[in-house]
Amino acid sequence: RKEVEQDPGPFNVPEGATVAFNCTYSNSASQSFFWYRQDCRKEPKLLMSVYSSGNEDGRFTAQLNRASQYISLLIRDSKLSDSATYLCVVNAGGYQKVTFGIGTKLQVIP
Amino acid sequence: DVKVTQSSRYLVKRTGEKVFLECVQDMDHENMFWYRQDPGLGLRLIYFSYDVKMKEKGDIPEGYSVSREKKERFSLILESASTNQTSMYLCASSFSLFPGETYEQYFGPGTRLTVT
Repeated sequence: RKEVEQDPGPFNVPEGATVAFNCTYSNSASQSFFWYRQDCRKEPKLLMSVYSSGNEDGRFTAQLNRASQYISLLIRDSKLSDSATYLCVVNAGGYQKVTFGIGTKLQVIP
Repeated sequence: DVKVTQSSRYLVKRTGEKVFLECVQDMDHENMFWYRQDPGLGLRLIYFSYDVKMKEKGDIPEGYSVSREKKERFSLILESASTNQTSMYLCASSFSLFPGETYEQYFGPGTRLTVT
């Protein structure tokens, strides 16, 4: 089993739709979690950290489920500009325990 | 704003050449990283450094070396470039409160290296 798994997609959704991605991780000792956004041929950029209690930033909501070992990202009212690849990042502590998922590609369609 | 810069956006080299990729960060971060990103494989850690002159191997160090002579600068060296090193190379930095810790990473724009 991979340390961090994501559905690569693509997820094709119409503008205004709500879309959710999950990311599962195998190391139960994982301590911190992040979602990054990566536009085509650009570098990954931090979208949001994921806290145990869940957190929201505008149209984006991130949640952590430690019992089932997954994190999720919900995007409400999708915009064309949300089209990108969303990378899940899991940190199990220590430099070499930071693992990136392969990313989920989102395409928002007019 | 954190700024991480990389010396080149695009680079074309011949097999066997020695290649230097440079990365500079302006946030006084302790940790710096070099990754390569390939389709279907995601980001893979090549080397990282948690202090000046300190370096540790990542998951795929073979064929690469690094140098960190100053806190803000981290160089990746391909000793003898090969075609299988054609990839996108991303540098990142992060701060750390304690040794062994890393928080969110900030990436440079990447260098797309083609080895022919």
